[in-house]
Amino acid sequence: ETGVTQTPRHLVMGMTNKKSLKCEQHLGHNAMYWYKQSAKKPLELMFVYNFKEQTENNSVPSRFSPECPNSSHLFLHLHTLQPEDSALYLCASSQGLAGASYEQYFGPGTRLTVT
Amino acid sequence: GESVGLHLPTLSVQEGDNSIINCAYSNSASDYFIWYKQESGKGPQFIIDIRSNMDKRQGQRVTVLLNKTVKHLSLQIAATQPGDSAVYFCAETNSGGYNKLIFGAGTRLAVHP
Repeated sequence: ETGVTQTPRHLVMGMTNKKSLKCEQHLGHNAMYWYKQSAKKPLELMFVYNFKEQTENNSVPSRFSPECPNSSHLFLHLHTLQPEDSALYLCASSQGLAGASYEQYFGPGTRLTVT
Repeated sequence: GESVGLHLPTLSVQEGDNSIINCAYSNSASDYFIWYKQESGKGPQFIIDIRSNMDKRQGQRVTVLLNKTVKHLSLQIAATQPGDSAVYFCAETNSGGYNKLIFGAGTRLAVHP
């Protein structure tokens, strides 16, 4: 395994529901990421956190709300989603800005279906 | 972890043959490139990387070639095995940025016995 875990692995939610995705990394990394992988587009970067601070928001709608309480945990809070938000949501981590490597380690993803 | 429904270009090869997967990148300022492999039900997994001051780098059974003149990247897999069947993505970034990887659409590699 990559050292990045995500829960749940599968999630079905209605458009009025509120749910959260969780990501945890056990690699001692300082940067964490959320990506969206859908049937129509390649991997899209959503958010980047470095040392718990958000450094990138790639024009993501406000119905997606990230939270990074510490360098090991990352959440994605979901509310009032649309069916087109159905996708695989991937979390990744890396050494971060101070690291020598740009390699990102990915979790297995959460398959989200919005009904 | 598969790109369900995405109509990816597919490369079909026989087991034991060599595979070449190509990628065109867009940003001439990109100076770091990575190849990822994504198997069904899994997240992308790092294969090999290369910096722009190199034009070739070899790993175990894999070689990455970089042609900066035409902004082209390729991944060569020697003696392709059934376990190599997956979707392969190239990614680019600029070392002056925030480690923001820009991914290509991916290529599906199908290995036949």
